Amino acid sequence: EDQVTQSPEALRLQEGESSSLNCSYTVSGLRGLFWYRQDPGKGPEFLFTLYSAGEEKEKERLKATLTKKESFLHITAPKPEDSATYLCAVHVDQGGKLIFGQGTELSVKP
Amino acid sequence: DTGVSQDPRHKITKRGQNVTFRCDPISEHNRLYWYRQTLGQGPEFLTYFQNEAQLEKSRLLSDRFSAERPKGSFSTLEIQRTEQGDSAMYLCASSLGSYTEAFFGQGTRLTVV
Repeated sequence: EDQVTQSPEALRLQEGESSSLNCSYTVSGLRGLFWYRQDPGKGPEFLFTLYSAGEEKEKERLKATLTKKESFLHITAPKPEDSATYLCAVHVDQGGKLIFGQGTELSVKP
Repeated sequence: DTGVSQDPRHKITKRGQNVTFRCDPISEHNRLYWYRQTLGQGPEFLTYFQNEAQLEKSRLLSDRFSAERPKGSFSTLEIQRTEQGDSAMYLCASSLGSYTEAFFGQGTRLTVV
């Protein structure tokens, strides 16, 4: 069964303290991995798409990387406004749906 | 283009009543997805359409749930005989083609009392 697991479930950082969020996947055939940000009470906001192992994408303080088994979302010098839940999702062979992990709740304190 | 739009944003209903939600996707997007999300969990897949065809429906989805996408434009999700366990955020998303990023609406928060 296709599965996506995110860790940690929750992460508390001080402003400026860099860290990484992990998304590991066990799927039949990866056709794309996606990172989203979700603020409380709102829909997920698209951040990045990664298709191939070794691929990297950057946006402001965020950098996403992909290997054959997992993806990392690196946050460099985070600010309080980066506080949110970060979701990872995959598209797989023979399927049209996005399969989501349970998310990592990030809290950045000033 | 204003993105994916969902209506209503909030719905409170009594147990046993029927409810219907609407989703207007990004205009040129041919794929439309419905997800359900409860507190502390990732979105759970319900169903998706390519144009007007419903291509997949979750095995976990009760027969009380039905979705339509007439003419491949907007979509509706109906829940019949609501139960307290149906209380959740219902999310709609759309994408252009297969295996591409999906863009989500703000969701409909359903509370069954």
